[in-house]
Amino acid sequence: GDSVTQMEGPVTLSEEAFLTINCTYTATGYPSLFWYVQYPGEGLQLLLKATKADDKGSNKGFEATYRKETTSFHLEKGSVQVSDSAVYFCALTITGFQKLVFGTGTRLLVSP
Amino acid sequence: GAVVSQHPSWVICKSGTSVKIECRSLDFQATTMFWYRQFPKQSLMLMATSNEGSKATYEQGVEKDKFLINHASLTLSTLTVTSAHPEDSSFYICSASPPQAQRYEQYFGPGTRLTVT
Repeated sequence: GDSVTQMEGPVTLSEEAFLTINCTYTATGYPSLFWYVQYPGEGLQLLLKATKADDKGSNKGFEATYRKETTSFHLEKGSVQVSDSAVYFCALTITGFQKLVFGTGTRLLVSP
Repeated sequence: GAVVSQHPSWVICKSGTSVKIECRSLDFQATTMFWYRQFPKQSLMLMATSNEGSKATYEQGVEKDKFLINHASLTLSTLTVTSAHPEDSSFYICSASPPQAQRYEQYFGPGTRLTVT
């Protein structure tokens, strides 16, 4: 079945460090890929998306590139801030289906 | 905009009792609402999809008679866990989609933690 695998957290970084959160997927069709972020006490929010191979999604300094050859969608940010501390979820949907399939989430902790 | 609330944020109930969780879209009409369940260190698992005014569609393995979902209005969906048992303890999250939304366009509530003793 369709699935998403994320690196386990927590990821602990100092402010201004470079961030990578790995995400790989397994899908039978042609998925669209997403990153969601959940700040403490809030609901998940869509951070960025990519709908086809080689697309790059970007938002708030975060980027992720849809790599079909490696079935990956790694999240990156060049310089993290304390306010980026949250849980990040990688997810996919398959063409024709409204269902979101989520990874387990990765907690990011950024210290000053 | 696009705020979804859940109530309560946490609840403790005794085994054998029923508990209701509300999900409201505060500033938009939600034609479709989703209910997810999340276990510690595991991903969100879709339990059911509900469209306003019609019966919910449950995912394989989810007991319809245990998890009753009602989507009676365009701003409110409820999940009732009937005859709750300790194994039903979990984090329940709802999301809502406005009319003609893209399939990924879901706005999530903050979740409800249920503990059954």
